Amino acid sequence: QQQVKQSPQSLIVQKGGISIINCAYENTAFDYFPWYQQFPGKGPALLIAIRPDVSEKKEGRFTISFNKSAKQFSLHIMDSQPGDSATYFCAASIGGGNQFYFGTGTSLTVIP
Amino acid sequence: NAGVTQTPKFRVLKTGQSMTLLCAQDMNHEYMYWYRQDPGMGLRLIHYSVGEGTTAKGEVPDGYNVSRLKKQNFLLGLESAAPSQTSVYFCASRHRDRGPYYGYTFGSGTRLTVV
Repeated sequence: QQQVKQSPQSLIVQKGGISIINCAYENTAFDYFPWYQQFPGKGPALLIAIRPDVSEKKEGRFTISFNKSAKQFSLHIMDSQPGDSATYFCAASIGGGNQFYFGTGTSLTVIP
Repeated sequence: NAGVTQTPKFRVLKTGQSMTLLCAQDMNHEYMYWYRQDPGMGLRLIHYSVGEGTTAKGEVPDGYNVSRLKKQNFLLGLESAAPSQTSVYFCASRHRDRGPYYGYTFGSGTRLTVV
């Protein structure tokens, strides 16, 4: 059973547009939600992360929105660029533990 | 700084063969992990280690064994490979003493095909 559900599976966005990737979870014990970015042939790399005590976190063009009551969080990429084309994974963990539960990934393509 | 290095990068095995995947990190990280990545499944934790000489099972440990004899190395073994173990394997590591926003450092992966 997938602990973290991610959508959409793939996304195509025009350069300069906004990319939005959504994740949902059921386990209310999750208290840490990172997003990873993966380029072809490479391992995932930490992009941005949030804890449930805040509703939004922004780093440059990347923003996480967090809705604790709905048990949902999303990644927004503003002014999307072709260099943002990659696969994005959301994840969740409990209490800084060693088990991260990853979403199934979203393949983002930004068209010039 | 090499970060996390995985060897080999590609391997084809026949069903029933054995092999060992090597992960080496030069960041003095205490914690190390092995994940597998499958289409439509995301990344799933196989085994992990919180220090030299210690290992623990993750979400999908069956068919795999691990060893952490040295702090910088984490080995993943397949004793009798099965086609279901065809996957991309990622090693990751992190410091024990993490800040409030932490993540893993991943290697670039090993693509394993079992025929």
